[in-house]
Amino acid sequence: GAVVSQHPSWVICKSGTSVKIECRSLDFQATTMFWYRQFPKQSLMLMATSNEGSKATYEQGVEKDKFLINHASLTLSTLTVTSAHPEDSSFYICSARVGAGSYTFGSGTRLTIV
Amino acid sequence: LAKTTQPISMDSYEGQEVNITCSHNNIATNDYITWYQQFPSQGPRFIIQGYKTKVTNEVASLFIPADRKSSTLSLPRVSLSDTAVYYCLVAFNQAGTALIFGKGTTLSVSS
Repeated sequence: GAVVSQHPSWVICKSGTSVKIECRSLDFQATTMFWYRQFPKQSLMLMATSNEGSKATYEQGVEKDKFLINHASLTLSTLTVTSAHPEDSSFYICSARVGAGSYTFGSGTRLTIV
Repeated sequence: LAKTTQPISMDSYEGQEVNITCSHNNIATNDYITWYQQFPSQGPRFIIQGYKTKVTNEVASLFIPADRKSSTLSLPRVSLSDTAVYYCLVAFNQAGTALIFGKGTTLSVSS
């Protein structure tokens, strides 16, 4: 089946630095990818929709200057957390639609800011 | 987008059948009903999807009544490894539309 590969699976960064998370669609082309954030014991919260070749669409309350999204090709979308702070520590997950009502998810990235 | 409501938690024992019911009163004609499973620190994993009536695959069954305002995920004989969070989602059949997650049901299976 359709697979989205997400890297890294975990990362620890110092406060103030930037970190990039990558999601690649391995055997299909993803015109659109979705980025979610999940805090402990909570559900997934949609952050933004990434569109190949155009600007991302951010959900209300998500800072577009902090969470930079780039979708430069049909198989790669990246999320860069800029000037990260401890409150940005979370589990980040990407997803892509693969068919009618069907979606596949990356394995997630555990981001810890110290 | 259709909102879903499902129990926050359920407990079961190994070998039992578990049924998780989800209500989605505002489901639209083009919406699909999809269930995902999530283990801690992993991305959600597809379990089953349906539009109406009954769907069965190797791991679960999905029952959808004629009015489609609810659905029931049935896990036939659960094991300890089925302990996870289960999400019921209504997916609008349109490219570019994200899945919106509700709170999910935390299933705990004991021996």
